[in-house]
Amino acid sequence: SQQGEEDPQALSIQEGENATMNCSYKTSINNLQWYRQNSGRGLVHLILIRSNEREKHSGRLRVTLDTSKKSSSLLITASRAADTASYFCATVVMNRDDKIIFGKGTRLHILP
Amino acid sequence: EPEVTQTPSHQVTQMGQEVILRCVPISNHLYFYWYRQILGQKVEFLVSFYNNEISEKSEIFDDQFSVERPDGSNFTLKIRSTKLEDSAMYFCASSFQSSYNSPLHFGNGTRLTVT
Repeated sequence: SQQGEEDPQALSIQEGENATMNCSYKTSINNLQWYRQNSGRGLVHLILIRSNEREKHSGRLRVTLDTSKKSSSLLITASRAADTASYFCATVVMNRDDKIIFGKGTRLHILP
Repeated sequence: EPEVTQTPSHQVTQMGQEVILRCVPISNHLYFYWYRQILGQKVEFLVSFYNNEISEKSEIFDDQFSVERPDGSNFTLKIRSTKLEDSAMYFCASSFQSSYNSPLHFGNGTRLTVT
C-alpha cells in the first residue's frame, strides 16, 4: 500500500451532515497535512498536525493523529455544498522534510 | 494574497519533443517543488529544490527531467523527450520554510498533453 492512503475513496453526504475521512501511512513522520483540491485546480492547505500532537481544530475542521496506529482523520462538521472537493493527506517523512508524499485522496460530494 | 503562478495552463506537444513548464513561486519562499497528477488521481512527488540544488527526487524524476531556477524568480521543469505517459497535470509548489514547519502553496497547474 502507499504512504498516505485515504479512506474512503469517495463519499457522498447530505448538506449539514458531518464528513469523516481517514488516512493511513506507513513510516514515521514529522507531521501530517491535509489539503483540498477543487476540480482542475491546485491543492490548498487546510491544516498541519505535528507528530507530537493528537488533535487540532480549525473552524469546522477537526484533525486527529494516532501515531501508534499510523492514522489520521479529518472531520468536517456541518458540511456545505462548497465543501465538495477532493481531500488529500500528505505526510512529511521523518528526517526527510523536503519530500512530502500525498495519498490518492477522498472525493467528497455534498448533496443539497 | 501572494500566489504561485504557472504557465502555460495547457501545453500540447508531440512525443519526443522537449517541454519547459514554468512557475513563479511566492517571492520570499525558499523551498520549491514539482508534483504531477494523472487524470485527477494521486498527486505524485517529483522533486524538491532548495538552495539552488535538488534536495529530494522520486523514481519518476529520471534523466529525462531537470529543474532550474534561472533568475531568482522563475522555477522551471524541463522534460527532454516527452512520452505519452508524461501526459498529466503538473503542479508547482513553494514554501517559506521546510515542510516540517510550513505548508506548501500550490499553483493551478499546467495540463501537459503528449500526442
